[in-house]
Amino acid sequence: AQTVTQSQPEMSVQEAETVTLSCTYDTSESDYYLFWYKQPPSRQMILVIRQEAYKQQNATENRFSVNFQKAAKSFSLKISDSQLGDAAMYFCAYYRHKLSFGAGTTVTVRA
Amino acid sequence: DTAVSQTPKYLVTQMGNDKSIKCEQNLGHDTMYWYKQDSKKFLKIMFSYNNKELIINETVPNRFSPKSPDKAHLNLHINSLELGDSAVYFCASSQGWDRVADTQYFGPGTRLTVL
Repeated sequence: AQTVTQSQPEMSVQEAETVTLSCTYDTSESDYYLFWYKQPPSRQMILVIRQEAYKQQNATENRFSVNFQKAAKSFSLKISDSQLGDAAMYFCAYYRHKLSFGAGTTVTVRA
Repeated sequence: DTAVSQTPKYLVTQMGNDKSIKCEQNLGHDTMYWYKQDSKKFLKIMFSYNNKELIINETVPNRFSPKSPDKAHLNLHINSLELGDSAVYFCASSQGWDRVADTQYFGPGTRLTVL
């Protein structure tokens, strides 16, 4: 079974600053996908970014970018220019036919 | 237009009752899922259906029975509710399941409270 580990239960960032969330995973597969989902207090699960394992180039979506290290099985999320609306729980997820989630990291943004 | 919708959003019931949660997607996707998010926010897949066929059935008590009348709907029926069933249940859909590329889109969740 695939396991996804998010070692930071909580992270705090000043508005306009940058925060990086860590994620590691365990797999014997070479072809898979990785995702970051955001869950604000509304509890809606919102896709932030995804990365194909066969692509070496790191994915970016506006202020969100990832650092994908396949050999190290690491997939961190960087949030640049943090905004108050970024405050949420962030889940890292591994996908190969089914999604396996990490335990989540709660991000608070200080005004 | 809501892509993945669930009803009800909140459900409060007594132990021992039977209840259902409905899910509908209007994305034209072939695959639908049920996830459970417990009180510690941990998310775990329960079931997955592809074109009305069960393809993933994790270790879930048989009190939980998914039903897919068509590929746009996946309902979750729970018999003999227990206190430990209290959680948020999410429905999700994706284009397919045998293509690794597919992103899953989640419904708003149903908060089930068993008293």
